[in-house]
Amino acid sequence: DSGVTQTPKHLITATGQRVTLRCSPRSGDLSVYWYQQSLDQGLQFLIQYYNGEERAKGNILERFSAQQFPDLHSELNLSSLELGDSALYFCASGRGQNTGELFFGEGSRLTVL
Amino acid sequence: GENVEQHPSTLSVQEGDSAVIKCTYSDSASNYFPWYKQELGKGPQLIIDIRSNVGEKKDQRIAVTLNKTAKHFSLHITETQPEDSAVYFCAASIRGNNNDMRFGAGTRLTVKP
Repeated sequence: DSGVTQTPKHLITATGQRVTLRCSPRSGDLSVYWYQQSLDQGLQFLIQYYNGEERAKGNILERFSAQQFPDLHSELNLSSLELGDSALYFCASGRGQNTGELFFGEGSRLTVL
Repeated sequence: GENVEQHPSTLSVQEGDSAVIKCTYSDSASNYFPWYKQELGKGPQLIIDIRSNVGEKKDQRIAVTLNKTAKHFSLHITETQPEDSAVYFCAASIRGNNNDMRFGAGTRLTVKP
């Protein structure tokens, strides 16, 4: 158990809809990273938050947004969903601002029909 | 930006045999190379890492080698066991920055009893 909690584990929705994925980092970790893992692909970095502020953006679409709340949990919002958004979305947390070991949650599997 | 290629995509070995997974990277400024193991239904977990100031690192049955000149690094697992079956990801980053980290596409290792 990594200590990182992600909900929901599975989500099925239709094209055009909006979903929110939630992540609670390990106790004491201030950084949260979001990744997308499509079929047979590596992890694609989406966005990072550190202590409530956006720290870095990767390949995140404009239809996606995220935030980190004062209690350090984070939410990833995916809107106007398309079939190609179907993927595993992982959250990872880390103690430091941008270095140190990453601890991954078990992921949220999104299926867009 | 950094591009990480990983081979093979699938690998099947008999229990007790060795397994080798290879990765190449493109950015000569990369200096931190972690390996992650992802078991079915779980998030990736760091198993070993190496920095560019060393050529080899070993931890029990796993070892990682790095050739900076050729820009490639490898994961070696000896005396494989069925519980080693998982997807393995290599990654590369500059200065160990997590939001710079680029992942390979993964290798699905199957160890047959």
